[in-house]
Amino acid sequence: DARVTQTPRHKVTEMGQEVTMRCQPILGHNTVFWYRQTMMQGLELLAYFRNRAPLDDSGMPKDRFSAEMPDATLATLKIQPSEPRDSAVYFCASGLDGKWRPQHFGDGTRLSIL
Amino acid sequence: DAKTTQPPSMDCAEGRAANLPCNHSTISGNEYVYWYRQIHSQGPQYIIHGLKNNETNEMASLIITEDRKSSTLILPHATLRDTAVYYCIVRGGFGNEKLTFGTGTRLTIIP
Repeated sequence: DARVTQTPRHKVTEMGQEVTMRCQPILGHNTVFWYRQTMMQGLELLAYFRNRAPLDDSGMPKDRFSAEMPDATLATLKIQPSEPRDSAVYFCASGLDGKWRPQHFGDGTRLSIL
Repeated sequence: DAKTTQPPSMDCAEGRAANLPCNHSTISGNEYVYWYRQIHSQGPQYIIHGLKNNETNEMASLIITEDRKSSTLILPHATLRDTAVYYCIVRGGFGNEKLTFGTGTRLTIIP
């Protein structure tokens, strides 16, 4: 089965460091989503792209977070500088646009900022 | 997107059918009902979706009431591996593909 691949699976770093998370969407999918999950907030959308163009990043702290799609096979989420409150599991999902198309999720990057 | 209401937790005996309810009384005509589940430490997994007709696939069945204000996800023969948090989500159409997750139902399958 085709899968969304996220790297790294785990990341521990000190506050102030730059963190880059990567996502390889399922081949042929043209929508990519970044979600964050914490115990307090649950699963929340940070940003999403269609055909590599950002459509909605209203859920993302703009001063420190950035999301890009350098090409159709790679999406990145960067945090600079990182803070302890950014500790969470970050999920990437991909899909085909169209109102009935489901999204398929990767297994996430578990991020801990010390 | 319409808000959904689910019970916070449910138990089901292994081998029995698990019936998970969801209320979405403010759903509009072009919104679909989606079900995802999240097994511990994994990403959410798509289960099934529907608009107004009942749907069935290899994982589950989805029953949507005629007025579309509620639905039920049915796992016909629950196994221990079905223990997970189940999310019912109502999603809009093209241009609004994002999923808004609530708190879901934590389903525990009892041996």
